Amino acid sequence: DSGVTQTPKHLITATGQRVTLRCSPRSGDLSVYWYQQSLDQGLQFLIQYYNGEERAKGNILERFSAQQFPDLHSELNLSSLELGDSALYFCASSVAGGRNQPQHFGDGTRLSIL
Amino acid sequence: DQQVKQNSPSLSVQEGRISILNCDYTNSMFDYFLWYKKYPAEGPTFLISISSIKDKNEDGRFTVFLNKSAKHLSLHIVPSQPGDSAVYFCAASDFSSGSARQLTFGSGTQLTVLP
Repeated sequence: DSGVTQTPKHLITATGQRVTLRCSPRSGDLSVYWYQQSLDQGLQFLIQYYNGEERAKGNILERFSAQQFPDLHSELNLSSLELGDSALYFCASSVAGGRNQPQHFGDGTRLSIL
Repeated sequence: DQQVKQNSPSLSVQEGRISILNCDYTNSMFDYFLWYKKYPAEGPTFLISISSIKDKNEDGRFTVFLNKSAKHLSLHIVPSQPGDSAVYFCAASDFSSGSARQLTFGSGTQLTVLP
């Protein structure tokens, strides 16, 4: 158990809809990262938050957004969903964003778009 | 452009023998490297890491070697056990991103340890 909790585990929805994925980091971790794993792309970095502030953006679509709340949990919002958004979405956390600290991953949310 | 490459999609090893998983990278700015293990329906689990100032790091049965001139790292598992059967991902991050430490992942190698 990594200590990172992601909900829900599975999500099935239709094209055009909007969903919210939730992540609770390990106790004491200030940095939260979101990654997408699709069949043909591997694990791709989406966005990072550190202590409530956005710190870095990767290959995140404009239809996607995220935030980190004062209690340090994070939410990833995906809107106007398309079939290609079907993927595993992982959240990871680390103690701090700038030092050589490993990231610890949750078990992911599997999003299926019908 | 794949900055982190794992050229072997799969590897089979006999129980008790050594498993060697390889990873190549192209970005010379990478300064921190990690290996993760992933079982089906679970998230990646951190195994071991190495900073670019070192060429070897050991933790129990797991050793990571870094060859900066060749832009190559490897993970050695000795002795291999059936429970080690999983997908192994190599990952890297670079200091040029400042305080952001997003990871760039390889495509993974499926290790199967045969009893």
